[in-house]
Amino acid sequence: AQSVTQPDIHITVSEGASLELRCNYSYGATPYLFWYVQSPGQGLQLLLKYFSGDTLVQGIKGFEAEFKRSQSSFNLRKPSVHWSDAAEYFCAVGPLSSGGSYIPTFGRGTSLIVHP
Amino acid sequence: DAGVIQSPRHEVTEMGQEVTLRCKPISGHDYLFWYRQTMMRGLELLIYFNNNVPIDDSGMPEDRFSAKMPNASFSTLKIQPSEPRDSAVYFCASSLGSGMGNQPQHFGDGTRLSIL
Repeated sequence: AQSVTQPDIHITVSEGASLELRCNYSYGATPYLFWYVQSPGQGLQLLLKYFSGDTLVQGIKGFEAEFKRSQSSFNLRKPSVHWSDAAEYFCAVGPLSSGGSYIPTFGRGTSLIVHP
Repeated sequence: DAGVIQSPRHEVTEMGQEVTLRCKPISGHDYLFWYRQTMMRGLELLIYFNNNVPIDDSGMPEDRFSAKMPNASFSTLKIQPSEPRDSAVYFCASSLGSGMGNQPQHFGDGTRLSIL
């Protein structure tokens, strides 16, 4: 069965510092991988996705993620964090076969706190 | 472009009352998902539809929960009777999918439900 693990429940960084959020997955084949961000009071917004090809994926808001098959990881990075990046970040992996369709599985999320 | 629209944004009601949450997916999307988010359990998939047909409702917690999608532009999630443990944020999401799991989901801003 596929699964996704975000080992860090909370991450605290200073504004301007670099950021890396970890995501590890378990999946039998090449997965589809996603990172979403959830700002307070809002729904999840897609940051970036990986399906195939270049293992370094660029997303919105200056984020990037790197797919490492050997480590079963898809970590999210940003070189310089802004206060507005404080939010909850979710990694998702797919596809999970369910009822004949394929849907992603979400991790528990990592809460990013940004200090001024 | 209009995103996924959920109503109401907030609902406070007393235990035992019927609660109806509403969702309008993005036009043209053929998948619709209902999620529940709590601190304890994270983001849980309750049910999803493909072309208005419920595909997998194994995440629906009890018979008190029901969901319908009478047409491509509207879905409801109903709780009857409601209980305090149903308090959570409920999200609706839609996607344009081939069923291969490689399409991102677009989330609404959620309904924050409080059962007193």
